[in-house]
Amino acid sequence: SQLAEENSWALSVHEGESVTVNCSYKTSITALQWYRQKSGKGPAQLILIRSNEREKRNGRLRATLDTSSQSSSLSITATRCEDTAVYFCATGNYKYVFGAGTRLKVIA
Amino acid sequence: EAAVTQSPRSKVAVTGGKVTLSCHQTNNHDYMYWYRQDTGHGLRLIHYSYVADSTEKGDIPDGYKASRPSQENFSLILELASLSQTAVYFCASSEWTGGSANTGQLYFGEGSKLTVL
Repeated sequence: SQLAEENSWALSVHEGESVTVNCSYKTSITALQWYRQKSGKGPAQLILIRSNEREKRNGRLRATLDTSSQSSSLSITATRCEDTAVYFCATGNYKYVFGAGTRLKVIA
Repeated sequence: EAAVTQSPRSKVAVTGGKVTLSCHQTNNHDYMYWYRQDTGHGLRLIHYSYVADSTEKGDIPDGYKASRPSQENFSLILELASLSQTAVYFCASSEWTGGSANTGQLYFGEGSKLTVL
């Protein structure tokens, strides 16, 4: 069963613009993680946001969490070409479940 | 920096043959995972382990076996490889941060691309 899923298959933006990737999940969570996977690489964690947090920042990244609507968003400001990647949200206590991912292309 | 290494990085196997994918971590993590990623899709959990000599089924375990002979090593075994098992396989490790509020970060390897012909 898909417990977490991103809401967009693919997005493209021009360098310098901001972009938001959205995620919805189906169960109660203790935390939600955002990962980025660049071409040919394994995913790498960007942000972990706990269920008692509403917002978390990491440099140009900002994650929000709305437990009432069971949704999260990841915003990237001042995008760069190197932000081109697939972005996943993941939930789970130890048995992590990933969404299908949102493919972001940043155009120079 | 956490380190998870996978071998082989790429393999071509014949249908019906046996394939073993290996994973080694130097993070001293309790949890290890095998995920499968099909082109254009997300990651699906095959097997995981939280202690040596014990493995657990994930969401798509059929056709796969796993082995955790030590804390550092975790293998994925395809006894009879099939065309449908062509995919990229990722190993990951995670620290157990404790209790029902575990928030361990997953550290992934670079992936093993398996092509079954």
